[in-house]
Amino acid sequence: GAVVSQHPSWVICKSGTSVKIECRSLDFQATTMFWYRQFPKQSLMLMATSNEGSKATYEQGVEKDKFLINHASLTLSTLTVTSAHPEDSSFYICSARSSGGGYTQYFGPGTRLTVL
Amino acid sequence: QQQVKQSPQSLIVQKGGISIINCAYENTAFDYFPWYQQFPGKGPALLIAINPDVSEKKEGRFTISFNKSAKQFSLHIMDSQPGDSATYFCAASEAGGYNKLIFGAGTRLAVHP
Repeated sequence: GAVVSQHPSWVICKSGTSVKIECRSLDFQATTMFWYRQFPKQSLMLMATSNEGSKATYEQGVEKDKFLINHASLTLSTLTVTSAHPEDSSFYICSARSSGGGYTQYFGPGTRLTVL
Repeated sequence: QQQVKQSPQSLIVQKGGISIINCAYENTAFDYFPWYQQFPGKGPALLIAINPDVSEKKEGRFTISFNKSAKQFSLHIMDSQPGDSATYFCAASEAGGYNKLIFGAGTRLAVHP
């Protein structure tokens, strides 16, 4: 149980294009989902907290117009990197917390984004 | 006050040995302390978690020791195996809000045969 999927697992795009990453909770409902970015050999950096049916809460320093987050249902959140540039190349990971409560966050497998 | 400090940055242990990773925090409002294991190119996986009401929690070869007064907690991996070679992250969260996790910097563990 408690499986989170991400799609795609990796993506390569040209500079200036937009990329959408999906995060799905497969066997539970998630009121809250989180988006992280991880650079090589570094820790996870929280980008934003996504709540179903409401606007995402972004961490300080994260451009909300560049990283668009939509949490349209209890099982799906999407992150769109708009006008991607090479410096946006990173490993993007989502996590989901069950609507049933509790602290546990279940992480997806991550999406490797490479911007050429 | 939001930081979680993790040490060591890297650790080499012989097969069968004990791996010990330490974390310290400042925010006394933290009340949930998980450990995550991450393999290269994969998302983190929850290993074990503890709350401040207990001083120790054991699950298989993994044990969390928690010292509330010192604001420190540690992960012990008994009988370490080569398959345990991964990066380990401690984290902390406080009640209220969205229970955001604050992660430590990570420890790269290598278990040599």
